Amino acid sequence: GQQLNQSPQSMFIQEGEDVSMNCTSSSIFNTWLWYKQDPGEGPVLLIALYKAGELTSNGRLTAQFGITRKDSFLNISASIPSDVGIYFCAGPRNSGNTPLVFGKGTRLSVIA
Amino acid sequence: KAGVTQTPRYLIKTRGQQVTLSCSPISGHRSVSWYQQTPGQGLQFLFEYFSETQRNKGNFPGRFSGRQFSNSRSEMNVSTLELGDSALYLCASSSQGGNTEAFFGQGTRLTVV
Repeated sequence: GQQLNQSPQSMFIQEGEDVSMNCTSSSIFNTWLWYKQDPGEGPVLLIALYKAGELTSNGRLTAQFGITRKDSFLNISASIPSDVGIYFCAGPRNSGNTPLVFGKGTRLSVIA
Repeated sequence: KAGVTQTPRYLIKTRGQQVTLSCSPISGHRSVSWYQQTPGQGLQFLFEYFSETQRNKGNFPGRFSGRQFSNSRSEMNVSTLELGDSALYLCASSSQGGNTEAFFGQGTRLTVV
């Protein structure tokens, strides 16, 4: 079935640095969703992308829907300690009313 | 507008018992999906309910079941619990499911001993 590959699996950065992570698939996606999960909590939706080439920002976060529709990128600028968590990409398996498939996440640690 | 509410937050059960978890979606949302999250497997899709009908199902054994009520609230049940069922169970609410945005509850942490 469809799989989403996220990289890197984990990263350690200094506070104030910019962060980039990506999500790739062998299949085309029509929607990309980015979530952040804090320990012991449910994932929180950060950004939703619906169109190839789309670039969307949410505060210090910017995400892009890849032109090939097989990838997406999330950037965080000027990281702060509360950015710590696991970032997941997700998308529906197929068109229509199909469930979301999730990547395994990128674990971000910020060193103050 | 209230978010997605899952109860209980934490649960400890013994092998062989059964458990029922509850999820109240965002008001007006008709789709409720359930996921199992474990450190090794990530987020695994269990099933989705839409307007009281199971619309999609993941690859879990029949011990995992669910239902949805007319007010869109959903429950999932796990019978004959196994140690491997220990996980964070998450429910996600969306207006239509599929390509629409899904919003998660805080999850129920189930520990089977």
